[in-house]
Amino acid sequence: NAGVTQTPKFRVLKTGQSMTLLCAQDMNHEYMYWYRQDPGMGLRLIHYSVGEGTTAKGEVPDGYNVSRLKKQNFLLGLESAAPSQTSVYFCASRQGATGNTIYFGEGSWLTVV
Amino acid sequence: AQSVTQPDIHITVSEGASLELRCNYSYGATPYLFWYVQSPGQGLQLLLKYFSGDTLVQGIKGFEAEFKRSQSSFNLRKPSVHWSDAAEYFCAVGAQGTGANNLFFGTGTRLTVIP
Repeated sequence: NAGVTQTPKFRVLKTGQSMTLLCAQDMNHEYMYWYRQDPGMGLRLIHYSVGEGTTAKGEVPDGYNVSRLKKQNFLLGLESAAPSQTSVYFCASRQGATGNTIYFGEGSWLTVV
Repeated sequence: AQSVTQPDIHITVSEGASLELRCNYSYGATPYLFWYVQSPGQGLQLLLKYFSGDTLVQGIKGFEAEFKRSQSSFNLRKPSVHWSDAAEYFCAVGAQGTGANNLFFGTGTRLTVIP
C-alpha cells in the first residue's frame, strides 16, 4: 500500500551542490507533480508531467529540472542549490481528469546552507 | 485564472467546540473544490471534494463543507473538534476539464486544539 513514495526524506546541501529527489508511484497514474511548500505560501507547483517522457513548467520552475523516463517515476533535480531552495518538497500524482483525487507523498525536507 | 483565499492563518479552538475554516475562491465557472489536511511531518490527505449536485458535502473524520456560489465560498466545518484534528488545512480549487495544471491551493489555515 505504498502510494507515492519520496526519497530522500531529509537532506542538507551546501550552496552550489546538486541533488536529485526521486518520486515513485505505484498507482499507474498519468499525471505527476512536484510542489514546494514554504511558510505562508502554501503549495506552489514547480513542474509537472502528463505522461512518460513529457514535462512542463509550473508556477516556480527556475533552478529546477525534472525528468519522467518511466511512468511511475518523476525526478526533481537541483543543479546548483541555493539557500532560497530550502523548503519542503512534495510529490503528487493523479489519474487523469481534474475531479480525481491528487495523492501526495510524505515530503522531502531540504536545507541548503 | 483561479485563486483561493484562506483568510485565517491560524485558528485555536477548544476540544469539543465547533469549527469553521473559511475558504473563498475566484473562478469564472463552476469549480471543483477540495479540502486537504496535513498533519505535522506528513503529506496532504483529501478530506472532501465538491463537483456538482448537493452543495453540502460530507467528508472523512466527521468534516463537512458547504459550497455557496453566491458567496464564492467553500467553508469547512466540524461540530465537535478532537485533539487529533490539530493540523494544517488547505482549500484548493480546480478548473473543469482534463488539464493537468489546473489545481490551485490556498495558503493554509493552521488549527490548534486546546484541551
